[in-house]
Amino acid sequence: GQNIDQPTEMTATEGAIVQINCTYQTSGFNGLFWYQQHAGEAPTFLSYNVLDGLEEKGRFSSFLSRSKGYSYLLLKELQMKDSASYLCAVVDSNYQLIWGAGTKLIIKP
Amino acid sequence: GAVVSQHPSWVICKSGTSVKIECRSLDFQATTMFWYRQFPKQSLMLMATSNEGSKATYEQGVEKDKFLINHASLTLSTLTVTSAHPEDSSFYICSAPQLAVSSYNEQFFGPGTRLTVL
Repeated sequence: GQNIDQPTEMTATEGAIVQINCTYQTSGFNGLFWYQQHAGEAPTFLSYNVLDGLEEKGRFSSFLSRSKGYSYLLLKELQMKDSASYLCAVVDSNYQLIWGAGTKLIIKP
Repeated sequence: GAVVSQHPSWVICKSGTSVKIECRSLDFQATTMFWYRQFPKQSLMLMATSNEGSKATYEQGVEKDKFLINHASLTLSTLTVTSAHPEDSSFYICSAPQLAVSSYNEQFFGPGTRLTVL
């Protein structure tokens, strides 16, 4: 079956750096998305990786290793507003989005 | 980026009534739209794929007679929860892909509809 694993919850301190990992086993691979979702709101797009390596976008970076079935989202200079759930989603061979359960990130002052 | 709207943003109804949720792509055409359901502290669960001009494709375990989907135009899909019960209370989100030349097809999400069935 298809499976995406990410930690359920993480806690970090304001101003620090946090890395949220995502591992996947899917039927085919056509890219990996990271979305941010605040409580009670719809997800918003953060990043898309389809080739191996690191994509940097401001305070957020996303890394992909297709051979290892692994990705991470790196958040730098954490702000209180970064408290949210972070969803990893993989596009499989049928171009269907397979969603992880999400990682709830708690930022403490 | 592209904009997807949903209406209503929240609804409270009595058990046994039907509720219609609209999903609109405002500045692009969407031949396909996706309907998700999200229970508290859980991830998005794909319910069905709405196809313009044809029948929706439902995921396993989703009752097609209970969750009626109509994709009447290239910018509008509707989800009707028929004979709603308290266990149908959830956050319903639609999304539409804006197709690009490559395989990259970012999903644009509506703001969601919170349904509470009393």
